[in-house]
Amino acid sequence: QQQVKQSPQSLIVQKGGISIINCAYENTAFDYFPWYQQFPGKGPALLIAIRPDVSEKKEGRFTISFNKSAKQFSLHIMDSQPGDSATYFCAARGGSTLGRLYFGRGTQLTVWP
Amino acid sequence: GAVVSQHPSRVICKSGTSVKIECRSLDFQATTMFWYRQFPKQSLMLMATSNEGSKATYEQGVEKDKFLINHASLTLSTLTVTSAHPEDSSFYICSAPSSPGQGYSNQPQHFGDGTRLSIL
Repeated sequence: QQQVKQSPQSLIVQKGGISIINCAYENTAFDYFPWYQQFPGKGPALLIAIRPDVSEKKEGRFTISFNKSAKQFSLHIMDSQPGDSATYFCAARGGSTLGRLYFGRGTQLTVWP
Repeated sequence: GAVVSQHPSRVICKSGTSVKIECRSLDFQATTMFWYRQFPKQSLMLMATSNEGSKATYEQGVEKDKFLINHASLTLSTLTVTSAHPEDSSFYICSAPSSPGQGYSNQPQHFGDGTRLSIL
């Protein structure tokens, strides 16, 4: 059973546009929600993360919106650039500082110049 | 800089060979490490949790005799793919969570760069 559901599977955005990726979860014990960016042949790199006591976090062009009551969180990439073209994974940590991460299925983002 | 080092980055070998992949935490102690497998255009699939000083915990469907994990020290975990076959070809990634107080409160989990394993 997929603990974290991610959509869309793929996304095509024009340069300068906004990319939005959504995730949903069921387990209320999750305590940490990171987003990872992965380029081909590389390990995932942390992009931005949020904890459930915060509704929004912004770092540069990247924003996480978190809705605890709906058990949903989303990544917004403002002013999308071709260099943002990558696979993005949302994840949730299982309620422990040393806990495993549960990953979404990933979103392949393509930003056209 | 990288806080988790994974080696080698790429391995190509013949069927039947055993392959060892190392995962090192460079500047913090990791009592737990995670091993993932990733197929093309798919998500990371957790294979096992490596525990320093005790046996690894394997996810359902992962053969523990096929994928041997050793966590011999607080900074090193190894994954050995025994008698590898073409179907074991994949991208293997390790990660290590850091504990509060180790100076990584903004990024509590660190990933290696992965190992591309190709079995001929």
